[in-house]
Formats: sequence, C-alpha cells, structure tokens
Amino acid sequence: GQSLEQPSEVTAVEGAIVQINCTYQTSGFYGLSWYQQHDGGAPTFLSYNALDGLEETGRFSSFLSRSDSYGYLLLQELQMKDSASYFCAVSLMNTGFQKLVFGTGTRLLVSP
Amino acid sequence: DVKVTQSSRYLVKRTGEKVFLECVQDMDHENMFWYRQDPGLGLRLIYFSYDVKMKEKGDIPEGYSVSREKKERFSLILESASTNQTSMYLCASSSPETGSPPQHFGDGTRLSIL
Repeated sequence: GQSLEQPSEVTAVEGAIVQINCTYQTSGFYGLSWYQQHDGGAPTFLSYNALDGLEETGRFSSFLSRSDSYGYLLLQELQMKDSASYFCAVSLMNTGFQKLVFGTGTRLLVSP
Repeated sequence: DVKVTQSSRYLVKRTGEKVFLECVQDMDHENMFWYRQDPGLGLRLIYFSYDVKMKEKGDIPEGYSVSREKKERFSLILESASTNQTSMYLCASSSPETGSPPQHFGDGTRLSIL
C-alpha cells in the first residue's frame, strides 16, 4: 500500500521560516507535489519535484530526497495569508496514468 | 486559467436517494478525477478517467459510480446515498503526461446525507 506522513499542525509567526516535512512509502514513485488549501477553498498546486534537490518558487521551496523517501516544503517570509492546509502528494506511475496519493495535510497557523 | 466547475457548492440529500455530482473543465484535459475529503483523512481518490467513456477505480470506489460521456464532463454518482457518504467532494483535471502534475481542482461540493 501507499502511505504518507506529515505533521498535523505547525504554528509560526509572520516573517518567520517554516518547514513542513513529508515522508512516504509507495511503490511506483514518480514525484512529490505540494498543494495549498485555504479553508473552504480548492487545493491549489504549489510545486513538484521529480528529481532530488531543491526547487524554488518565490517564497516557497520544495525539496526531495528519493533515497530517503522524504521531502519538505519550505515557506519563507511568512505572511498571514499563508495560514492554510498544506498537502504533500506522491505521483504514481505504476498504473500508467497520472494518479496522486495525498497525505492527510498539515495545518499551518501564522500569527502576527 | 484552467477552470474546473462543480455544479453545486452545497447539497443536501436523503438516505437512499440517487445523487449526481457534476464537474466540467474547460482545458481539454484528458484526465479527470473525483476525490472525497474528510477531516484527518486528506483527499482520497474515488474514481478517475483518462478518456471519454474510460474509467478506473480509485482507492475508495464502493458505493460510487462515474460517467464520462464527453471529454469536458465527469459525473460522480452515488447509487443509493448513505450517511457515511456525507463529505466534501472535489473534482480535478490534468493533462495526460504520466506522473506530471498539476491537477486543477474545483471548489468542491459539500454533500450532506440525512
């Protein structure tokens, strides 16, 4: 089976840096994605790593280590609007089609 | 921008009813997906479709079926609604490159079964 683990909740203050970790156990791993979801909203895509290393997109960066089955999302210069849930998701290719398996999500609370 | 539109934001139905949830995307995506989202469980895949009239079971297909008669439209059907199907339902679409996101999500339908 497939399993992903991420912390249920993380708190931080405005301007700080926070790292949300994700470990996974899957077969047919192809890549790791991160999605953001505000309360009442749709999940929106943030980043994707297929290869080891760091991908940077503005204030957000994502890292993958395939050998460790581990990745993280790094949020810098936190803003109040970053308060949301963050989901890691693995892409599986063993079916031949793009299928995502999601973690249970990390709720990030940013305080002033 | 990719637009995925779900027909209802909120829906209340009764136990035993046949329920249809509709999803339309405007990006000519081959792949479409239905998930349910429950607190503490994340998003779980119910069914997905990689082409018109094609469908594949996801991780929790029991009690559900789907229909994809046109490329842009993917319907989720609860054959006989039960209270344990009360949930947030999310539709998504994506282009067909294997293993390559992103998936684009609709705003969700919060379904309550009484």
